[in-house]
Amino acid sequence: NAGVTQTPKFRVLKTGQSMTLLCAQDMNHEYMYWYRQDPGMGLRLIHYSVGEGTTAKGEVPDGYNVSRLKKQNFLLGLESAAPSQTSVYFCASSYFEELFFGEGSRLTVL
Amino acid sequence: ILNVEQSPQSLHVQEGDSTNFTCSFPSSNFYALHWYRWETAKSPEALFVMTLNGDEKKKGRISATLNTKEGYSYLYIKGSQPEDSATYLCAFSGGGADGLTFGKGTHLIIQP
Repeated sequence: NAGVTQTPKFRVLKTGQSMTLLCAQDMNHEYMYWYRQDPGMGLRLIHYSVGEGTTAKGEVPDGYNVSRLKKQNFLLGLESAAPSQTSVYFCASSYFEELFFGEGSRLTVL
Repeated sequence: ILNVEQSPQSLHVQEGDSTNFTCSFPSSNFYALHWYRWETAKSPEALFVMTLNGDEKKKGRISATLNTKEGYSYLYIKGSQPEDSATYLCAFSGGGADGLTFGKGTHLIIQP
């Protein structure tokens, strides 16, 4: 049972490049989330989804897009990466509010 | 933006000692208060979900209390062990679809 899996785990980008982070969960959860974690800032919600085909903005959505074409997958895209997007990104799915997290994806934008 | 505060930010405790730390959160629109344990290089894992004022939860040597009227929760660790070293996150839920608002965490280091 894999739980929540994030790919890639590490990535280095140049400013202006694009990329997509993939989150996959095998627990049949409806709700999925993308957070970013920065030193001294805690976990901040970027976007979330309450079911297949739905997405909504969180606290810090600017510069990111998301898609939930399949229930098990939640994609986070950066269209034009900026150094301010250097962070560790965590995906989570939830069951009755309890969050199950992936292991994180460390993104560096040069 | 909701304000969820945790104190202290970091804490060094001798092995065998007991310790506690605090989470404060808005007392209005409360639905649940969560505690997560986050070990270095791993992902956060749920410890407790608390919903009722006065609630107390326990898991081994770790326990938590909840006061929703005044907006705080305490996490207690009895007889600290090195494996308790981690960051402890609390998170507030107003019951909305946007999930949890996290505090910045208390980084606990247990010294042998």
